[in-house]
Amino acid sequence: RKEVEQDPGPFNVPEGATVAFNCTYSNSASQSFFWYRQDCRKEPKLLMSVYSSGNEDGRFTAQLNRASQYISLLIRDSKLSDSATYLCVVNMGKSGNNRLAFGKGNQVVVIP
Amino acid sequence: GAVVSQHPSRVICKSGTSVKIECRSLDFQATTMFWYRQFPKQSLMLMATSNEGSKATYEQGVEKDKFLINHASLTLSTLTVTSAHPEDSSFYICSARDKGNYGYTFGSGTRLTVV
Repeated sequence: RKEVEQDPGPFNVPEGATVAFNCTYSNSASQSFFWYRQDCRKEPKLLMSVYSSGNEDGRFTAQLNRASQYISLLIRDSKLSDSATYLCVVNMGKSGNNRLAFGKGNQVVVIP
Repeated sequence: GAVVSQHPSRVICKSGTSVKIECRSLDFQATTMFWYRQFPKQSLMLMATSNEGSKATYEQGVEKDKFLINHASLTLSTLTVTSAHPEDSSFYICSARDKGNYGYTFGSGTRLTVV
């Protein structure tokens, strides 16, 4: 089983619509979770950390489900500028030398 | 916020030559720098972890003699791809964690093309 799994998509989203996707992780000891945004041929940039209680940042909402070992990202009122690949990133914890494991990313294409 | 400066952003080299990639933390001390490689439509794969003043730790399958890492100071880490081959063509990215920031900051990446 891969450390972090994401459905690569693409997710074609009409402008103004809501899109949501999940990411599953294999290491139950993982402690910290992130969503990064990566634009084509660019480096990843931190979008938001994911907290146990769930957290929201503007139009973006992240959730963590430890029991089922998945995190989710929801984007409301999609903008054209939201088109990017969203990477699920998991800190593998002490047993994994605290290294980060990356999913392949969810590619989002917002359509006018 | 924390900034990691990575150079060069793009390099084309001939097979058999060596290429050095530099990553500098501009406003914080990076005791640990992570080096990743990303092939098209693939996820970032950790190649090695470098710690200031000590030997780098390489991930399984990554040749330490081919990918030389030096982390001589708290603000500079370098990756040298030795005797490059076309299959080494990829996007190489460094990353460091700022102690004051829960997230990881990435360099802007180096697109290496070996011809």
